[in-house]
Amino acid sequence: QVQLQESGPGLVKPSQTLSLTCTVSGDSISRGTYYWSWIRQHPGKGLEWIGYIYYRGNSYSNPSLKSRVIISVDTSKNQFSLKLSSVTAADTALYYCARSTRGYVSGWPSNYYDYWGQGSLVTVSS
Amino acid sequence: QSVLTQPPSVSAAPGQKVTISCSGSSSNIGNNYVSWYQQFPGTAPKLLIYDNDKRPSGIPDRFSGSKSGTSATLGITGLQTGDEADYYCATWDSSLSADVFGGGTKLTVL
Repeated sequence: QVQLQESGPGLVKPSQTLSLTCTVSGDSISRGTYYWSWIRQHPGKGLEWIGYIYYRGNSYSNPSLKSRVIISVDTSKNQFSLKLSSVTAADTALYYCARSTRGYVSGWPSNYYDYWGQGSLVTVSS
Repeated sequence: QSVLTQPPSVSAAPGQKVTISCSGSSSNIGNNYVSWYQQFPGTAPKLLIYDNDKRPSGIPDRFSGSKSGTSATLGITGLQTGDEADYYCATWDSSLSADVFGGGTKLTVL
């Protein structure tokens, strides 16, 4: 059974860097079949895609956040991580890591998230 | 404000059928596959439908998905009180170069 688990500080001060790690069990990131993603949900709001990384280390982030986001992978630990810099109160959210399938089906782009972590609440406050 | 528009809420009686719409444009739904997620309060989203109309293993056939042009629809038949949750559509948006989610629809089973 595939499981993902987020970990990291629940409280970050404004202007500092938010750091979260997702530990994957039941699957191997280095298998190269999936992309590994971060998604957040502001309190009482909808979902916002942050970005993803592939086992080789190539990553892609939401252009709306791109300048502040770094996503990295450690295949030896079967983990991937998120760093979000210069945080403000607007970055207070529940942060999910998820496994995603991305590719083409019958010539059309396909992507979806089939396994999710339980979420890690990060509050930005002094 | 999401580029994918969903009704904030829908409701129906137990045993009935409900549909949830997701409206987009040619830069997202019109040229990409759509997925749907179910989220109960305090839990992570769960994949219900992928590639417009495919169900992952374990998802009952009461849940169905379809797409026409720049809109997608999630259908749920034989409604149960346990289906009360928030539902989100999602796809890739080539103009934004980002995965996008709808704003979510809260389903109430009266």
